[in-house]
Amino acid sequence: AQSVSQHNHHVILSEAASLELGCNYSYGGTVNLFWYVQYPGQHLQLLLKYFSGDPLVKGIKGFEAEFIKSKFSFNLRKPSVQWSDTAEYFCAVRDDKIIFGKGTRLHILP
Amino acid sequence: DAGVTQSPTHLIKTRGQQVTLRCSPKSGHDTVSWYQQALGQGPQFIFQYYEEEERQRGNFPDRFSGHQFPNYSSELNVNALLLGDSALYLCASSLPALYEQYFGPGTRLTVT
Repeated sequence: AQSVSQHNHHVILSEAASLELGCNYSYGGTVNLFWYVQYPGQHLQLLLKYFSGDPLVKGIKGFEAEFIKSKFSFNLRKPSVQWSDTAEYFCAVRDDKIIFGKGTRLHILP
Repeated sequence: DAGVTQSPTHLIKTRGQQVTLRCSPKSGHDTVSWYQQALGQGPQFIFQYYEEEERQRGNFPDRFSGHQFPNYSSELNVNALLLGDSALYLCASSLPALYEQYFGPGTRLTVT
């Protein structure tokens, strides 16, 4: 069965640092890939998605992710984080249903 | 435009009891999915409803059942509650072709 692995459970960065959160899924074929974010006290919301086409996907709030098929990876990046990016980030993959990773808790120091 | 709404927000039940959680999808959405999110974990897919039928199911026992109504709203029922059923239950709605899901705030279920 498909699975999703997020490498970091908890990341602490200072403002203006660059961010990369790792995400790997277990096998290939046609998959759709997502990053969701959950800000403190708020709903899960979609950051960005990959269905097909350009493997570099841009999302909201300056986030982007790159789909590398050969590595089964879909890492999330942001060049310069802000304190307001403090949240929990979930990678998800869909083949016949959506499978979420366990999440990465990101804490940005002001 | 109302987003996904869920009720109740919090619920405390005793082992062995039954519970019903409710979800109203985002306006225009006809597909509802339910997820269980245990503490420190990502959401786990329970099942999905479309056209009032269960279309897909995750690895959850038959104690978990659901229903979708003609207005696309949905219920999640859990029978014979176990302590391990304590979790945040999330509802998400979507259009089938897009598969971009919009999540509700969740119902926090505590089983004592």
